[in-house]
Amino acid sequence: QLQLQESGPGLVEPSETLSLICTVSGASISSSTYYWGWIRQPPGKGLEWIGSIYSSGRTYYTPSLKSRVTISVDTSKNQFSLKLSSVTAADTAVYSCATLLGGTYFDNWGQGTLVTVSS
Amino acid sequence: QSALTQPASVSGSPGQSITISCTGTSSDVGSFNLVSWYQQEPDKAPKVKIYEVSKRPSGVSNRFSGSKSGSTASLTISGLQAEDEADYYCCAYAGSNTWVFGGGTKVTVL
Repeated sequence: QLQLQESGPGLVEPSETLSLICTVSGASISSSTYYWGWIRQPPGKGLEWIGSIYSSGRTYYTPSLKSRVTISVDTSKNQFSLKLSSVTAADTAVYSCATLLGGTYFDNWGQGTLVTVSS
Repeated sequence: QSALTQPASVSGSPGQSITISCTGTSSDVGSFNLVSWYQQEPDKAPKVKIYEVSKRPSGVSNRFSGSKSGSTASLTISGLQAEDEADYYCCAYAGSNTWVFGGGTKVTVL
C-alpha cells in the first residue's frame, strides 16, 4: 500500500527557504502511474495546490508561487522535495504531499506537517 | 487562476440529501471533466469521494454522487449520516498541468 510521509523543520524564519521532504513507501518514485505533488492548507483555510512533478522530471507550479517554488525528485531515496523561498507569515500552513493518480485526482495523501513562519 | 467558489456551509438532517456546488470558469470546471471531491475530517488528511466529475473510487459509499453543468460542479450526499459531517473540497484541472481547489464547505448534520 502506497504511503507518504512529510518531514522537515516546523519553524522557518521570514525571508528564509522552507524545505520539506516526502518519503514514498509502497511504490517507486519512478513509476509512471503516479505524479507527485504538494498541497498546503493555511490554518482555518482551504486547500491550495502548490505544484507537481511527473516521472519525466517535468514540474508544474501554481502561478502565484511559481517564482519561489522548486519541486524535485531523489530516485535513490524514493523521495521528492519542496523548496519555497523568501517565505513570509502568509506561507504558514500545513504542507502535504500527495499522489496524482494518472493525472486525474489526488488519491493518496501524507498526514501533513505544520510549518510556521516566524522569527 | 482563482480558487473555485463553494458555499461556506451546508446543513441537513439525518436521512436528507444535500448538494454542494463548486463554481469555476470556462478555463477549469467548464473545460475539463477532471473535477474531484474530497472529504476532510478535523486534523485528518483529505479523502477522495468523487473523481472525474461523477466516478466513485472503490469503497466509497454510493450515497455520494457528482455531476457537472457548464462551469459548476456539484456533490450530492444522499441519506445524510452523522459520519458525513466534515469539510468538503472540490478540485478541478485548470489546464497546462495545473490544478485549483475550492475554498471548502463545512457540512453539518443537524
